[in-house]
Amino acid sequence: DVKVTQSSRYLVKRTGEKVFLECVQDMDHENMFWYRQDPGLGLRLIYFSYDVKMKEKGDIPEGYSVSREKKERFSLILESASTNQTSMYLCASSLLNSYNEQFFGPGTRLTVL
Amino acid sequence: RKEVEQDPGPFNVPEGATVAFNCTYSNSASQSFFWYRQDCRKEPKLLMSVYSSGNEDGRFTAQLNRASQYISLLIRDSKLSDSATYLCVVNIGDNYGQNFVFGPGTRLSVLP
Repeated sequence: DVKVTQSSRYLVKRTGEKVFLECVQDMDHENMFWYRQDPGLGLRLIYFSYDVKMKEKGDIPEGYSVSREKKERFSLILESASTNQTSMYLCASSLLNSYNEQFFGPGTRLTVL
Repeated sequence: RKEVEQDPGPFNVPEGATVAFNCTYSNSASQSFFWYRQDCRKEPKLLMSVYSSGNEDGRFTAQLNRASQYISLLIRDSKLSDSATYLCVVNIGDNYGQNFVFGPGTRLSVLP
């Protein structure tokens, strides 16, 4: 059974803290993605990676960075968390071809106080 | 104009009803199309890919009209378990072919 896991389901942080969100997939997928989901806005792409150490900006990369040191792991970093980064964060992975479905992790609900 | 738009919903239908969702996309270069289902407080999961010739999976039928840039999802004989938010997803093909754009979703409630 394919699996994408995320390090936390719920996270509460304070403004200015550095936040790490971890995502691991066990399907040997080339692509990994980080989205945030907000009511009325749908899912928006923050960053994606198509290979180890490779990353591409999505629609809303400001305030975020990513790291992919191993194929199975993709980390999202909030260098200095702000209240407008309170959101649901979803990680996904897929095979290289754009016709392939994405598999999502269960999400991390981050609250920044 | 948003890149992917969907019926705002919510749709409240009785069990056994047929319900149709519509989705339009703005980028004519879009390459692949999907319907995902998202249950409350859960992650999205693929319901079906959408092919140019149209495709059917049990009670679900998806259609694509490239000329009109329009995708539809038809659910026949609705079940209580079909209650969820349905997301229209379009891959617009740029950015190494991995730019999946999600619609805002249409919420369906099937009532007993």
